[in-house]
Amino acid sequence: SQQGEEDPQALSIQEGENATMNCSYKTSINNLQWYRQNSGRGLVHLILIRSNEREKHSGRLRVTLDTSKKSSSLLITASRAADTASYFCATDLTGANSKLTFGKGITLSVRP
Amino acid sequence: ETGVTQSPTHLIKTRGQQVTLRCSSQSGHNTVSWYQQALGQGPQFIFQYYREEENGRGNFPPRFSGLQFPNYSSELNVNALELDDSALYLCASSGSVAAGELFFGEGSRLTVL
Repeated sequence: SQQGEEDPQALSIQEGENATMNCSYKTSINNLQWYRQNSGRGLVHLILIRSNEREKHSGRLRVTLDTSKKSSSLLITASRAADTASYFCATDLTGANSKLTFGKGITLSVRP
Repeated sequence: ETGVTQSPTHLIKTRGQQVTLRCSSQSGHNTVSWYQQALGQGPQFIFQYYREEENGRGNFPPRFSGLQFPNYSSELNVNALELDDSALYLCASSGSVAAGELFFGEGSRLTVL
């Protein structure tokens, strides 16, 4: 079963616009991570936010975490065509050492 | 690039056959995890190896097995292949068993006919 549920499933925006992607989960977590995957390739780690953190920034990325609502959002500002990819949230569940549980992913298309 | 290499990149097998996939972890990483990603889905955890021992397993049958070698490289073996085993198999290395940042290889695309 998949713990993280991303929303929307697909997102299409114009270059220069901001992209917001959401992730909800069901049980308590140690941390939540976002990964990016270009078509058919390996996943690349973007950012990790711990359960006691509310917001983190990395370059054009901003991640928020609301543990009371069991949700996270990933904001990509000033998007570029090169941001076109699938984005996954992954949760490190409390008590489930050693594994990450991934959602089904969001397909982001950035039109030039 | 992450420094995690996987081989082969693509392979085709028939139902009932056996397959071995290989992974070299990033330098300095002692932990390797394997994930299966079906088309259009997120990766599913198969198992993790730490210091040559299995350290956690997902909901996969025993015909999925693995090894880790003293140099921390790893193999994933799948026996009695089924059509549903067709997927991208991803290897990820990390510096510890805690579920922090994972460094993924490019994957091995397995097609079972």
